[in-house]
Amino acid sequence: SQKIEQNSEALNIQEGKTATLTCNYTNYSPAYLQWYRQDPGRGPVFLLLIRENEKEKRKERLKVTFDTTLKQSLFHITASQPADSATYLCALPGSSNTGKLIFGQGTTLQVKP
Amino acid sequence: KAGVTQTPRYLIKTRGQQVTLSCSPISGHRSVSWYQQTPGQGLQFLFEYFSETQRNKGNFPGRFSGRQFSNSRSEMNVSTLELGDSALYLCASSSQGQYNEQYFGPGTRLTVT
Repeated sequence: SQKIEQNSEALNIQEGKTATLTCNYTNYSPAYLQWYRQDPGRGPVFLLLIRENEKEKRKERLKVTFDTTLKQSLFHITASQPADSATYLCALPGSSNTGKLIFGQGTTLQVKP
Repeated sequence: KAGVTQTPRYLIKTRGQQVTLSCSPISGHRSVSWYQQTPGQGLQFLFEYFSETQRNKGNFPGRFSGRQFSNSRSEMNVSTLELGDSALYLCASSSQGQYNEQYFGPGTRLTVT
């Protein structure tokens, strides 16, 4: 069955550094991959989508890569700030052209001033 | 545009009771999906409705059901509540563009005692 793995350990980094989060998947060939941010007690917020034919996508301080051979996506936040502290979730489509998403467990990022 | 709204935000119920949660999607969005989030299992897909029809269903027992109205508003119902149903229930809407980014509501925190 489809499986998505994110580092369950919290990632602690210093303000100004680059945070890199990993999302690995197995038994799957997704057409795209999405990243979401979730703050405690709130719903996830969509950040970025990357398609299978795209190697890299950028949005402001965010960068996502997608390696379909390695079955891995990397999510980078450059010049990190304490306000970036949150849980970041990767998600893959559960079936084609529908709203069903399969989420990873998420990685909690803590940026220290 | 107003975001996804969910009511109620918090709910405490007793084992054996039933509960109905409500979701109003972003105006113009026709797809509404429901997710259950717990610390142990993470975000798990419950079901998706599109144009009043259930289009996808996750691996949850029949006690979990939902429906969608002609104005795209959706409700989910859980009957015969169990302690394990305590969770954050999230509703997400999508415009059904090709890549289906989801816009989540704030969630309903259900506690079963």
